[in-house]
Amino acid sequence: GAVVSQHPSWVICKSGTSVKIECRSLDFQATTMFWYRQFPKQSLMLMATSNEGSKATYEQGVEKDKFLINHASLTLSTLTVTSAHPEDSSFYICSATRTGTYEQYFGPGTRLTVT
Amino acid sequence: QKEVEQNSGPLSVPEGAIASLNCTYSDRVSQSFFWYRQYSGKSPELIMSIYSNGDKEDGRFTAQLNKASQYVSLLIRDSQPSDSATYLCAVNMRNYGNNRLAFGKGNQVVVIP
Repeated sequence: GAVVSQHPSWVICKSGTSVKIECRSLDFQATTMFWYRQFPKQSLMLMATSNEGSKATYEQGVEKDKFLINHASLTLSTLTVTSAHPEDSSFYICSATRTGTYEQYFGPGTRLTVT
Repeated sequence: QKEVEQNSGPLSVPEGAIASLNCTYSDRVSQSFFWYRQYSGKSPELIMSIYSNGDKEDGRFTAQLNKASQYVSLLIRDSQPSDSATYLCAVNMRNYGNNRLAFGKGNQVVVIP
């Protein structure tokens, strides 16, 4: 199979604090990982693409200094939401692909609530 | 033209019927096509991949691809209430790097018992 995990599954934080979300590919090496955000009843929105060992590529309109992405190994990528605000409350989902393929396998998602 | 279009509104089908979902894409040289299922409040789950023209069957799911018409579809036979979800069509785009996919907005399917 192709299993991707995320941690935590949900988090509540206070405005102004930072939150780190981990994404791990459990049974394969993921050259590329993707971070998405999804608001209720809306489509997936790609935030950034990360490749192991290099800087992430952010989509237009996504602040790189606010959403810090680190892809430290072939099985781990992290997204840190810095100085979180209530408008950052959303469902954050990562996905991963094997080298040379387009199939994306999604993690279960992290529900972030900023109070 | 949007990169991946899924135009149909919510689809209601009676239990046991066939649900038919359609998707068109803009890039003529796309080679990889996927259907994902997303339950409410959950992340997407890959249910079908198709790369060649024609039909591909997996259990009650059949994906159909027509590259000349830039069209891919998903049929769900013997629909069950557990099939009630949003189905996302995804396609690779040559102007994308890093194995990115373009996703459609999704079609909601409601199977009525």
